[in-house]
Amino acid sequence: EIVLTQSPGTLSLSPGERATLSCRASQSVSSSYLAWYQQKPGQAPRLLIYGASSRATGIPDRFSGSGSGTDFTLTISRLEPEDFAVYFCQQYGSSPWTFGQGTKVEIK
Amino acid sequence: QLQLQESGPGLVKPSETLSLTCTVSGGSISSSSYYWGWIRQPPGKGLEWMGSIYYSGSTYYNPSLKIRVTISVDTSKNQFSLKLTSVTAADTAVYYCARHRSYYDAFDIWGQGTMVTVSS
Repeated sequence: EIVLTQSPGTLSLSPGERATLSCRASQSVSSSYLAWYQQKPGQAPRLLIYGASSRATGIPDRFSGSGSGTDFTLTISRLEPEDFAVYFCQQYGSSPWTFGQGTKVEIK
Repeated sequence: QLQLQESGPGLVKPSETLSLTCTVSGGSISSSSYYWGWIRQPPGKGLEWMGSIYYSGSTYYNPSLKIRVTISVDTSKNQFSLKLTSVTAADTAVYYCARHRSYYDAFDIWGQGTMVTVSS
């Protein structure tokens, strides 16, 4: 199975700053079938990005995804207070679908 | 809009079978091309895809759980279900049901999740 490794484990930033989250796959992700989710405490994950770079419905344009092959990035251009959360990447190009361990974006 | 809601016992004894149901509202589970999946998250940990089902009944399981997992669909009730046999404390988790729009697609709609604890 494809193992996804996210870095850093925790990102401490201030509102208004730029956040860059990394997701590295143990083997190439087919057709850039890579998604990003946001999860807040006590809530279900929310889809942000699919196909490595397409924003899901209703997602603000401060969220952007990029990458291909084994290296993918989620960028939040200017952090809003509601963006402090845990972010997971997921690949769905090779079964079993797998998730990264998550990156926590916390207020500095 | 489409909503998913998990239901089932919050406490299961070791070695018994965990059974959960996901009720789909605001849309039909039989809509073409949609798949319906189960994902779980142990407390404080990451997410694990358990398996998915197409409305026709075709199933796809995570090999790590395949011998213990069964997912089924009841189109007449607009529901799909999860059964996990021979549970242990390691199966304690929040269980989510979710939709993906095709086999190779992200999970775009999630239920709120239900906590299941395995304990005697």
